[in-house]
Amino acid sequence: AQKVTQAQTEISVVEKEDVTLDCVYETRDTTYYLFWYKQPPSGELVFLIRRNSFDEQNEISGRYSWNFQKSTSSFNFTITASQVVDSAVYFCALRGGDSSYKLIFGSGTRLLVRP
Amino acid sequence: NAGVMQNPRHLVRRRGQEARLRCSPMKGHSHVYWYRQLPEEGLKFMVYLQKENIIDESGMPKERFSAEFPKEGPSILRIQQVVRGDSAAYFCASSGGVNPGANVLTFGAGSRLTVL
Repeated sequence: AQKVTQAQTEISVVEKEDVTLDCVYETRDTTYYLFWYKQPPSGELVFLIRRNSFDEQNEISGRYSWNFQKSTSSFNFTITASQVVDSAVYFCALRGGDSSYKLIFGSGTRLLVRP
Repeated sequence: NAGVMQNPRHLVRRRGQEARLRCSPMKGHSHVYWYRQLPEEGLKFMVYLQKENIIDESGMPKERFSAEFPKEGPSILRIQQVVRGDSAAYFCASSGGVNPGANVLTFGAGSRLTVL
């Protein structure tokens, strides 16, 4: 069975702090894809990143970085120097195999960045 | 270059009424997916459609729910005889290409259904 666990229900930080959102996944597929989506208060889902299982390189995009560790089945997301506009619910998701199309979402982590 | 368009954004229905949610995929996308988000939860897969075909409806409740994606026009998610437990945000996503598994899903802004 496939599963995504985001153990942190809610995180509150003060602006400019760094924050890491945890994501642990379970799958038996050898090929799979991992995603992060952001859901701001307006409600839409914004795609942030996709990573396939064969690429364990960490990725950095501006203040965002992702740490993919197959050994621990984790795909953690770090925001450096957080800003109030980062306040949102963040979802980690998993899709198994090239022929699979179902996204399995975690329950989300609500991030509140206080000024 | 409009993204995935969903309407209505908000819908209020009384128990027993019907709800119809519409989704126009991104231009050029032929794969449509519906997901449901219950309050304080992640999104759950409901159904996957291609033009005029339901590919996988394993996540759809067996009764009262149906979906279609006609040759012309938007995809429709229809909920008959709504109950309070149907209150949720319903998200539509689309993707293009031959291999849906490798593609990134683009989500719409969601339709929030409230059943009184």
